[in-house]
Amino acid sequence: AQKVTQAQTEISVVEKEDVTLDCVYETRDTTYYLFWYKQPPSGELVFLIRRNSFDEQNEISGRYSWNFQKSTSSFNFTITASQVVDSAVYFCALSASMDTGRRALTFGSGTRLQVQP
Amino acid sequence: DAGVTQSPTHLIKTRGQHVTLRCSPISGHKSVSWYQQVLGQGPQFIFQYYEKEERGRGNFPDRFSARQFPNYSSELNVNALLLGDSALYLCASSPNLVLWTSGKITDTQYFGPGTRLTVL
Repeated sequence: AQKVTQAQTEISVVEKEDVTLDCVYETRDTTYYLFWYKQPPSGELVFLIRRNSFDEQNEISGRYSWNFQKSTSSFNFTITASQVVDSAVYFCALSASMDTGRRALTFGSGTRLQVQP
Repeated sequence: DAGVTQSPTHLIKTRGQHVTLRCSPISGHKSVSWYQQVLGQGPQFIFQYYEKEERGRGNFPDRFSARQFPNYSSELNVNALLLGDSALYLCASSPNLVLWTSGKITDTQYFGPGTRLTVL
C-alpha cells in the first residue's frame, strides 16, 4: 500500500528564515509521481509542484526548492527567506499505479507552517 | 477561467440525517474526485467519477455515494450521518481519467474550496 509520512506536525519560524518541510513516502511501484500542495486558511488546496520517479533533478523556483532522493524515499520542500504569507498547511502527496490506479492522490498528514513577523 | 466551485460552503446536520454536496469542475475537465479531510489530517480519497461513471473508490462505507451529470458536475451524498463524518469535503477536477501515463505526467488535480460539514 502507498503511504506518505510528514513527521513534522507544526513548524514555527521568524520571517526571512529558511525552512524545510520533510516528506517520506512508501510505494512498491517503480513509477510514481510526487506532489506538494499548500492549504491556506481558506481551505483550498493549491498545487505547488509535481515530480516523477525518474527525475531526481532537484529544482528551484523562486523562493521554493525541492529535494527528491529515491535512495531515502524522500521529497523535501524548502522555502528560502520565508514570508508571513507562506503560513499555511503543506501537504505532500503520492500517485502510483497500485491502490489508486494513477487516478487519485495519497496525502500525508500535513505540516503546519507558521511564519512570525 | 473559473476554478472548481463547491456548494454549500458550510453545512450543519444532525446524526442520522442525509446530506448532498455539489461540485462544478473546471470547464473542460471530465474527471471529478471527492476527498474527505478530517481536522488535523490530510485529505482521503473517496470517489472518482469520469464520464458519468465511477472509476475509483476509496475505503469508505456504502453510506457514501456520488454521481456525475452530463455537464460533468457532481454530487456527493452521505446517508445516516455520524459524528465522525464531520470534515471538510474537497472536490478536485482534472481533464482526463488518469493523472499520468507511462512515466509522463498528464494532469494535475485542481481542488475547490471545500464544503465544511459539521454533524451534531
